[in-house]
Amino acid sequence: DAKTTQPTSMDCAEGRAANLPCNHSTISGNEYVYWYRQIHSQGPQYIIHGLKNNETNEMASLIITEDRKSSTLILPHATLRDTAVYYCIVKGWGKLQFGAGTQVVVTP
Amino acid sequence: GAGVSQSPSNKVTEKGKDVELRCDPISGHTALYWYRQSLGQGLEFLIYFQGNSAPDKSGLPSDRFSAERTGGSVSTLTIQRTQQEDSAVYLCASSVQTNSPLHFGNGTRLTVT
Repeated sequence: DAKTTQPTSMDCAEGRAANLPCNHSTISGNEYVYWYRQIHSQGPQYIIHGLKNNETNEMASLIITEDRKSSTLILPHATLRDTAVYYCIVKGWGKLQFGAGTQVVVTP
Repeated sequence: GAGVSQSPSNKVTEKGKDVELRCDPISGHTALYWYRQSLGQGLEFLIYFQGNSAPDKSGLPSDRFSAERTGGSVSTLTIQRTQQEDSAVYLCASSVQTNSPLHFGNGTRLTVT
């Protein structure tokens, strides 16, 4: 599966949109982009996934570039409860492997 | 509906003892994963079951670790002759099929003294 590159950490002000970037330049045609998050001391939580079209659900939006080499997860109105490690994962038919993720801290 | 259930939630064992960790996936989910997470670290893939296919065991750290999935449902992760470095949270996840989102349990915190 393709590797991903994410910033180690980022801060976001409460109530503002949080834009989390992810690079996956070696992604292949049948691989999806998945986002999960892990709030301290809990199991990871699925957020959203997509193949090539932009996706939106009740939690977030996923914007995938036309060449599919990068994507951005958007949390439209960050709250303190969104403080977590966010993982961007590219996956085809096989196991799901987590990288180091981005530690997002939402501040009042 | 019921989510992924793991038991026990906490396990303390002495070095050298064997332990069994149990995972009850969501009913109907064909894929099942085990991960472990040491304190302050990321998630380490251990093993992956998909339907009736041979499991992907490529993440098991040593031959002291094994897992089985009976009847395509419940899974047991066994660690033989536990060592202190085995102390971690062991997480189980399941999904409807291989390309579906994973649903995680709350994990088993294993402490080897």
